[in-house]
Amino acid sequence: DTAVSQTPKYLVTQMGNDKSIKCEQNLGHDTMYWYKQDSKKFLKIMFSYNNKELIINETVPNRFSPKSPDKAHLNLHINSLELGDSAVYFCASSRLAGHTDTQYFGPGTRLTVL
Amino acid sequence: AQTVTQSQPEMSVQEAETVTLSCTYDTSESNYYLFWYKQPPSRQMILVIRQEAYKQQNATENRFSVNFQKAAKSFSLKISDSQLGDTAMYFCAFMNSTDKLIFGTGTRLQVFP
Repeated sequence: DTAVSQTPKYLVTQMGNDKSIKCEQNLGHDTMYWYKQDSKKFLKIMFSYNNKELIINETVPNRFSPKSPDKAHLNLHINSLELGDSAVYFCASSRLAGHTDTQYFGPGTRLTVL
Repeated sequence: AQTVTQSQPEMSVQEAETVTLSCTYDTSESNYYLFWYKQPPSRQMILVIRQEAYKQQNATENRFSVNFQKAAKSFSLKISDSQLGDTAMYFCAFMNSTDKLIFGTGTRLQVFP
């Protein structure tokens, strides 16, 4: 009965590789988000999607491409991985966009780029 | 731009005691929401409490309560009867109608037996 799930939980890869992180929510929410938590624990939003449509795109390198096949899924694909991409990536969801609803987070994916 | 400041990088408290974590924020908006999230060593981000800016009454959730001072732009979290399981990083966060959660830098809380 997991609300927001992410796979994988850990990802170790070499510089230059392409990798994806998957996120699924079973809460029936319309809006999903990706956040990045750096080595100093600072959390910053990257993207949000409302019902498969991109609504927030912070100044993230275009090597990062979110994809939402349906409103329950928001995947994050990263091309040409760099050392600085090492971080914990959190997916979150909320009921409706523009309504300041509470966001519920997944367990996070720790990405390590060697 | 909105900013959230947590001035206490680390705090400690003895079990069963009370501790208060500070948070201040900066915004020119009048309608917004404030949150405290907890991140234990398991890494999971867990919602602790939420406060709507238009509500004067301070939010409470069991042992957790806030002191929301809108004019001072202050939003502190009080944990009563601290338990060992409260050991975690605590993040204060701000949200307006853009739905972006803007986080502070966190306060690491250690509860000692």
